[in-house]
Parts: sequence; structure tokens; C-alpha cells
Amino acid sequence: EAAVTQSPRNKVTVTGGNVTLSCRQTNSHNYMYWYRQDTGHGLRLIHYSYGAGNLQIGDVPDGYKATRTTQEDFFLLLELASPSQTSLYFCASSDGTGGQAPLFGEGTRLSVL
Amino acid sequence: KTQVEQSPQSLVVRQGENCVLQCNYSVTPDNHLRWFKQDTGKGLVSLTVLVDQKDKTSNGRYSATLDKDAKHSTLHITATLLDDTATYICVVGDRGSALGRLHFGAGTQLIVIP
Repeated sequence: EAAVTQSPRNKVTVTGGNVTLSCRQTNSHNYMYWYRQDTGHGLRLIHYSYGAGNLQIGDVPDGYKATRTTQEDFFLLLELASPSQTSLYFCASSDGTGGQAPLFGEGTRLSVL
Repeated sequence: KTQVEQSPQSLVVRQGENCVLQCNYSVTPDNHLRWFKQDTGKGLVSLTVLVDQKDKTSNGRYSATLDKDAKHSTLHITATLLDDTATYICVVGDRGSALGRLHFGAGTQLIVIP
């Protein structure tokens, strides 16, 4: 069954801490995305990728790195976490054409104290 | 600059009533428009996708329209149920060099009361 799985589902860290959010898709999709969702905003694109080894900068990339190690796996890295990065993070995958709906993970709630 | 605007921001209806949600966008060039439902704290679930210049779709109690000339879409929910309480998000897909990019509205929060 097609799916996008995020881990962890919840994470608490301190300012300056290191955090890695993981995402795996089993949909054979080329595109994978990392978004953050904050009250009053639509989902905002942090980084995305159209294949293993590829990385594209999104709209709010500052403070985030990402790496697409395989077709299935896309990681989001916060190397010096700040309280402004407290948010709900979603990973998604798509075929990029609009013909199929992008599939979203259940989200990771990150709190930076 | 926000490229997808949704209205109203929030809406309260009684169970059984109909409602209409609006989406205006400025994404150019536009490929497709999709409506998602998001339950609180959960991921997004696709309701319908619109592709053609002037398009209409129907999916059970959900129906949607798209006018690419006006860059405007509507989502109609008929005979609302309590389970329809959620945030409804309009998403426009890019058709230019950024194929695969998705532009999200902030959502309309729908609350259905008994």
C-alpha cells in the first residue's frame, strides 16, 4: 500500500540542538517534499527533491538542510535548532505531474525549547 | 507574497446545511488545482483535482469548480456531517520550470455543529 511514513512523530529539543526528521515513501514517486505548517500560514515549502541525490531549495530554507539518500528516503536536518523552528512538519511525495494526488505523512511535531 | 488566497478563513454551519469555500490564486503558469481535507493535527487527504481550463468535478458530497481564466476555484460541500469538521486547503500545482512545486492556501476551517 502506498504510504509516506515520518519519524519521529513528536520531538522535543533545546535551542542549539541537532535534529533529524526522517521520511520514507513506498509510492515510487520521484518528488519528495518537506513542509512546515504554522497557524495562519499555508504549508510552506522548506526543501524538495526530484530524485536520489537531488535537492531543490524551497521558500523557507534558512536553518534547514535536507538530503535525499535514495528514491525512498528524504531527511530534514536542523543543525542548530532555534525556537522559531517549533512547528508541525510534513513530508510528502508526488509524481510531479498532478495526475495523482501527492501523498502526505502524518506529520512530526517539533518543539524547540 | 501569498499566491493562494482562501476565503472565508473560518465557517460554522449546522449539520445538514450546504457550504461553499473559495480559492483565488495568482500562480502562473498553473497546472492543476487540488482540494485537500486536513483533520486537526493530521496529514492532508486529497478530495478532488481540477485540471482543465474550465473544470468541474464531483466526489460524493464534494463538488468543485475551476476557472483558470479567473484563477478561481470553489469547493461545495452538500448536506454537511459532523465529520466534515476540518480544515480545507486549496493547492495549486506549478506548470513552469518548477514542475512539481505546490502552492498552498492557508485553509478554511470548517466547523459543523449539531
